[in-house]
Amino acid sequence: GAVVSQHPSWVICKSGTSVKIECRSLDFQATTMFWYRQFPKQSLMLMATSNEGSKATYEQGVEKDKFLINHASLTLSTLTVTSAHPEDSSFYICSASPRLAGGGDTQYFGPGTRLTVL
Amino acid sequence: AQKITQTQPGMFVQEKEAVTLDCTYDTSDQSYGLFWYKQPSSGEMIFLIYQGSYDEQNATEGRYSLNFQKARKSANLVISASQLGDSAMYFCAMRDRLDTGRRALTFGSGTRLQVQP
Repeated sequence: GAVVSQHPSWVICKSGTSVKIECRSLDFQATTMFWYRQFPKQSLMLMATSNEGSKATYEQGVEKDKFLINHASLTLSTLTVTSAHPEDSSFYICSASPRLAGGGDTQYFGPGTRLTVL
Repeated sequence: AQKITQTQPGMFVQEKEAVTLDCTYDTSDQSYGLFWYKQPSSGEMIFLIYQGSYDEQNATEGRYSLNFQKARKSANLVISASQLGDSAMYFCAMRDRLDTGRRALTFGSGTRLQVQP
């Protein structure tokens, strides 16, 4: 159980285009999902917290108008990179927590999406 | 200040031997959680083990155990009987500021483990 999927797994786009990445919790409901970004050989950095039915909470330094997050349902959050530029090329990973009773509130991660902007 | 510090950028271990990956953390909270994740070259983040700050016993999950020393603020991961498939990046992470409702994780810089035959 506790499976999180992401689509697409990789995408190559031209500079200036927008790219949408989907994150789905397949066997549990997640009121909160998280979006992280990972540059090569670096750690994961939190970009934003996606809340079902409300606006996302962005970390300092992350442009909310560039990285649009929509948490339309309890199992789906989307990240849209608008007007992508080469510096947006990165590995984007989402996570979700099933809020197990008495548990560690473990976050389960999607397989990630590798974005390359030409 | 770094919240999560992993001082070993890379580690080598012989197959079937045990290895300890270091992690120290910094928080003023009393309630927090510590996690270890494995990231193979495919990129997926695989949850390994969790330790709560109020847990009195060290967490164990199969070949993984967490050496939790609260006073030292360390949460080292011990992998026993290393296997070739253990070669990957390992990240220590913490969730604190629980009173604010924040549930996101803060990650360390990672340790690349290579298991040699």
